[in-house]
Amino acid sequence: GAVVSQHPSWVICKSGTSVKIECRSLDFQATTMFWYRQFPKQSLMLMATSNEGSKATYEQGVEKDKFLINHASLTLSTLTVTSAHPEDSSFYICSARGFTWTSGDYNEQFFGPGTRLTVL
Amino acid sequence: KNEVEQSPQNLTAQEGEFITINCSYSVGISALHWLQQHPGGGIVSLFMLSSGKKKHGRLIATINIQEKHSSLHITASHPRDSAVYICALRSGGSNYKLTFGKGTLLTVNP
Repeated sequence: GAVVSQHPSWVICKSGTSVKIECRSLDFQATTMFWYRQFPKQSLMLMATSNEGSKATYEQGVEKDKFLINHASLTLSTLTVTSAHPEDSSFYICSARGFTWTSGDYNEQFFGPGTRLTVL
Repeated sequence: KNEVEQSPQNLTAQEGEFITINCSYSVGISALHWLQQHPGGGIVSLFMLSSGKKKHGRLIATINIQEKHSSLHITASHPRDSAVYICALRSGGSNYKLTFGKGTLLTVNP
């Protein structure tokens, strides 16, 4: 099936630093990419939706100046957590939507493996 | 009431057993996804359904749009099937956002 990669898979940083997470669709063009956050034992929570070449749409309660999303190409989106604090420690997951010959559908979503962020 | 309800929340089975996980929802949808999340976090999309039934290996997913209900079945369960199984709804229109169930934790013992 289609593959979505994330980098890094885990990161530990000091409070106040910025962290960039990359999400790539490896074998298809992602029309839309989604960024999720998941706290332990909880469901995924959508943070923002981004379409290539346009500004991301953030969910209510998600600070756009803190979580910067760039979707510069059809295969790459980045999430930058600026001035990270311990409460930002979480599991960040991206997904990508786009046509694949495997699914024969534009609406299938493929998930990345996630990035575990720990802010000390 | 949540838009999507999964049952059971936790399920323990012996290897070889037939497993059923249920998902009921209260809103109109354009598609329903079944996802698998292993310990460590990575999510795998198992099925995307808008009607009928799909089968992949030992996994079968069904959906009844009129009854707003979907089931995920695992035949001949195996310890490697142990994971959290998540039902997610996609509403209609051009909005591709998913609404996630709380998940069902499946443990298959050898």
